[in-house]
Amino acid sequence: GAVVSQHPSWVICKSGTSVKIECRSLDFQATTMFWYRQFPKQSLMLMATSNEGSKATYEQGVEKDKFLINHASLTLSTLTVTSAHPEDSSFYICSARDGRGTSMFFGPGTRLTVL
Amino acid sequence: GQQLNQSPQSMFIQEGEDVSMNCTSSSIFNTWLWYKQDPGEGPVLLIALYKAGELTSNGRLTAQFGITRKDSFLNISASIPSDVGIYFCAGSLNTGTASKLTFGTGTRLQVTL
Repeated sequence: GAVVSQHPSWVICKSGTSVKIECRSLDFQATTMFWYRQFPKQSLMLMATSNEGSKATYEQGVEKDKFLINHASLTLSTLTVTSAHPEDSSFYICSARDGRGTSMFFGPGTRLTVL
Repeated sequence: GQQLNQSPQSMFIQEGEDVSMNCTSSSIFNTWLWYKQDPGEGPVLLIALYKAGELTSNGRLTAQFGITRKDSFLNISASIPSDVGIYFCAGSLNTGTASKLTFGTGTRLQVTL
């Protein structure tokens, strides 16, 4: 299947700092990527849809100024958690559909811990 | 956001046993996907279903797309220790690269020797 990578795999930061997470499609181009958040022992919750060359679409209840998304190329989307606080600590996962759009592939996730 | 209901929530089985889990929705989906997630990793696609009534196998795994388009099940035969993990169903209304997925609540599988 298609390969999606994320960087970093984990990050620890102080409260108030901003953290950038990268999501790359390695062997296909993705005009659309998706960002999810997963709390311990819970399911994945969609945060936003990242659109190449245009603004991201955020799900209800997700602060767009808090979670900045940039999709500058067909293989890279970034999620920046601005002014991070301990409650933002979570597992962040991105995904993209392959070129046929039939199946969704996920990155390995980024564990964010805000102290 | 909306979530699909998965059952059971968790299962403890012995190695060699067969496993069955299902996923139900109050609304219809046109695609059903089944994923497995290991701790600290992203979900890995197991089986994709695109047509109501479709039955698809992938090794020891078999999944079916319910005829009403509101449910799907996943069976694992002759379970082995590496089957341990959390299994998620996911549905989407549309195909196409921009189509969103709605996830199930997950089934946690434990396999004992």
